Amino acid sequence: GESVGLHLPTLSVQEGDNSIINCAYSNSASDYFIWYKQESGKGPQFIIDIRSNMDKRQGQRVTVLLNKTVKHLSLQIAATQPGDSAVYFCAEIAMNRDDKIIFGKGTRLHILP
Amino acid sequence: GAVVSQHPSRVICKSGTSVKIECRSLDFQATTMFWYRQFPKQSLMLMATSNEGSKATYEQGVEKDKFLINHASLTLSTLTVTSAHPEDSSFYICSASAGTEAFFGQGTRLTVV
Repeated sequence: GESVGLHLPTLSVQEGDNSIINCAYSNSASDYFIWYKQESGKGPQFIIDIRSNMDKRQGQRVTVLLNKTVKHLSLQIAATQPGDSAVYFCAEIAMNRDDKIIFGKGTRLHILP
Repeated sequence: GAVVSQHPSRVICKSGTSVKIECRSLDFQATTMFWYRQFPKQSLMLMATSNEGSKATYEQGVEKDKFLINHASLTLSTLTVTSAHPEDSSFYICSASAGTEAFFGQGTRLTVV
């Protein structure tokens, strides 16, 4: 079944510093992973994705790392800005199975001025 | 990018009444739509997967008679919370799938008084 979320952990980072948000996923059959950003009262926004045949993917100021051995995903945000303050969720999908998007617990990122 | 419109964004209803939430894909056809529920400061929990023209698939622990899902067309899915109670108060989010990407609605804040 789905994991029930606990209260979200918070990561506080000084503006301009880099941040790393970690996520452990549960299904070894998952082969597609996405990071989402959710601002208060809004739906999740796509940030970056990665397929299981890759271990790293870079976007603009963001990098996603995938370690399939330990089922771990991370999101690195470079040179953080106030607008990066949000809750970040990782999500896993088992393509060619049921395509359900299963969300991780989420981390609140707080950018300090 | 693709747009998913969710309506209403906020609704307050009396206990015992039913509330319908609509999820529309505005510029693409969504063969699959997902409904999520989010409690404060927690992750999104998948409630059900809705395929156009067929019955929704509910996740374990989600009452299908309580949360009625209809996916009558490729651009519209509805979630009806029947006989709502205060414990149904939550943030509900839909997601529409187009191939490998999923696009989210802005969510509906339901408050049952």
